Amino acid sequence: NAGVTQTPKFQVLKTGQSMTLQCAQDMNHNSMYWYRQDPGMGLRLIYYSASEGTTDKGEVPNGYNVSRLNKREFSLRLESAAPSQTSVYFCASSEDRGFNQPQHFGDGTRLSIL
Amino acid sequence: AQSVTQLGSHVSVSEGALVLLRCNYSSSVPPYLFWYVQYPNQGLQLLLKYTSAATLVKGINGFEAEFKKSETSFHLTKPSAHMSDAAEYFCAVSDRGTGFQKLVFGTGTRLLVSP
Repeated sequence: NAGVTQTPKFQVLKTGQSMTLQCAQDMNHNSMYWYRQDPGMGLRLIYYSASEGTTDKGEVPNGYNVSRLNKREFSLRLESAAPSQTSVYFCASSEDRGFNQPQHFGDGTRLSIL
Repeated sequence: AQSVTQLGSHVSVSEGALVLLRCNYSSSVPPYLFWYVQYPNQGLQLLLKYTSAATLVKGINGFEAEFKKSETSFHLTKPSAHMSDAAEYFCAVSDRGTGFQKLVFGTGTRLLVSP
């Protein structure tokens, strides 16, 4: 009963390094999302993918890129990490694009940029 | 655009006491509203959702929320707090402005439960 799986769970990077956060879901969901969570700010949407082959920017896309590799997998890439990108990153999925659809979340990747 | 406001970043209750977490929304169209719970070092889990079928929505773990259009509120309640309820709670509204479901989250309320 895996649901949404994120790897890695923890990572420390130096400024300027690059990294890809991986996300996979086994619920056959069409839509997938990447959020960042910062203290006192709730969750903010970075990018989303309504369906396989499509991606769109969310609220805070600068400094990130994404790839919807197939229906199951949606990765987030930091090309040149900056200390401001220190955060907890969550991947989520939902069955379709319907407005009443709940999103299912992974356990997060805790990323520190030194 | 839709938005939610959660009043109180921290709420403290005693075990057995009533839990009340407040959420007010702003929406130009009938909203879809959600409450999520986050336990330490975990992702968010859906507690309940409002989709206009009924104004009083029952969720998991004994929580419920009442949609009040006149007050633009969707407060979360539980009659009797348990130690295991200690967590952070997020209210969210479905932003329909783009024609695609995007959740807009409040800033969260951390519930502290004392013995």
